[in-house]
Amino acid sequence: GAVVSQHPSWVICKSGTSVKIECRSLDFQATTMFWYRQFPKQSLMLMATSNEGSKATYEQGVEKDKFLINHASLTLSTLTVTSAHPEDSSFYICSARTSGDNEQFFGPGTRLTVL
Amino acid sequence: EDQVTQSPEALRLQEGESSSLNCSYTVSGLRGLFWYRQDPGKGPEFLFTLYSAGEEKEKERLKATLTKKESFLHITAPKPEDSATYLCAVQALGPNAGGTSYGKLTFGQGTILTVHP
Repeated sequence: GAVVSQHPSWVICKSGTSVKIECRSLDFQATTMFWYRQFPKQSLMLMATSNEGSKATYEQGVEKDKFLINHASLTLSTLTVTSAHPEDSSFYICSARTSGDNEQFFGPGTRLTVL
Repeated sequence: EDQVTQSPEALRLQEGESSSLNCSYTVSGLRGLFWYRQDPGKGPEFLFTLYSAGEEKEKERLKATLTKKESFLHITAPKPEDSATYLCAVQALGPNAGGTSYGKLTFGQGTILTVHP
């Protein structure tokens, strides 16, 4: 149990385009989903927290207009990187948890490369 | 602000050579301390959650312990397949304690473990 998937697993795009990443909880209902970013040889940095049906809460320094998060159902959250630039190239990882549980289960990550 | 520091940054062991990884933390109030394993190019895999000082949990060759200031991940007789980055994270008490997001995890930098056959 507690499986989280992400799609796509990797994506290459041109500078200025937008990219959407999906995060799905496959066998449980995720009341809360988290989006992290990980640069090479660095740890995970939380970008934002999304609760189903409400607006995402962004961490300090994360541009909410650039990183659009939607959590429309209990099994799906999406992260859209708008007008991507090379500095947005990173490994994006989502996690999910159910109401009342502390454990977060992570997806396999999405490698974004912006040319 | 919550802080997590892991040591060493990298650890090389021979197969069968037991050792420990350290995770030191400061948090306004600890809700839970988490250990994850991360393989290259993949998301973290959940290992343990510890909630209170003195608590211990075991899984195969791994054993996690917790004090009020740090946690240890003990690896007994490691095998090459145990090679990975081990991440420690803390979660603070309360909706806004330690951050703006309820349930927020603050991660350490990780320890890269390499086990040679």
